[in-house]
Amino acid sequence: DTAVSQTPKYLVTQMGNDKSIKCEQNLGHDTMYWYKQDSKKFLKIMFSYNNKELIINETVPNRFSPKSPDKAHLNLHINSLELGDSAVYFCASTLGGGAPGQYFGPGTRLTVT
Amino acid sequence: AQSVTQLDSQVPVFEEAPVELRCNYSSSVSVYLFWYVQYPNQGLQLLLKYLSGSTLVKGINGFEAEFNKSQTSFHLRKPSVHISDTAEYFCAVSGVGTPLVFGKGTRLSVIA
Repeated sequence: DTAVSQTPKYLVTQMGNDKSIKCEQNLGHDTMYWYKQDSKKFLKIMFSYNNKELIINETVPNRFSPKSPDKAHLNLHINSLELGDSAVYFCASTLGGGAPGQYFGPGTRLTVT
Repeated sequence: AQSVTQLDSQVPVFEEAPVELRCNYSSSVSVYLFWYVQYPNQGLQLLLKYLSGSTLVKGINGFEAEFNKSQTSFHLRKPSVHISDTAEYFCAVSGVGTPLVFGKGTRLSVIA
């Protein structure tokens, strides 16, 4: 059974389009995250949700909007895609209450042309 | 604020040789420390973590790391590497209820 899954795995799209990436975890965790890994492999937190509520929002353009319909899902919607949005996006989850360590999804490679 | 410095961006090593990947962290509060591995075109896999207790932590695939509070380090070691260990390795730090802060990664290349 996959612990943290993401769809799609690859996403190629043109500038200006709107796209979504879905994430689901079946671990019973209540905290979920989105990370961005750039072309130099650097990983940085974008958002964090706890029990469907946004708790961390790093300096990310407001074209990026996370949505959590329930605590097992955290989707990422991106409007007006730009070339610089090309990256690998990772979803992760952890048990809340300060539990350390996170489980990562396989990543979604987004390419904007 | 927390930060992580991985001192080497690339480490080439011959097969069956030992390796050490260096990691230093900065934090004003108690920390949890992690090493993750990323194989080409794959996600992140947890190798090992330090939460508390013994400063020598053993992980998967024969890796171990030692937490040194006075030197604020958490170096990763393996006594004998294999070709299959070729990957990107990330050191990360977090506090209670905070997300992971990653280092920039070290690319380990094992040479036959």
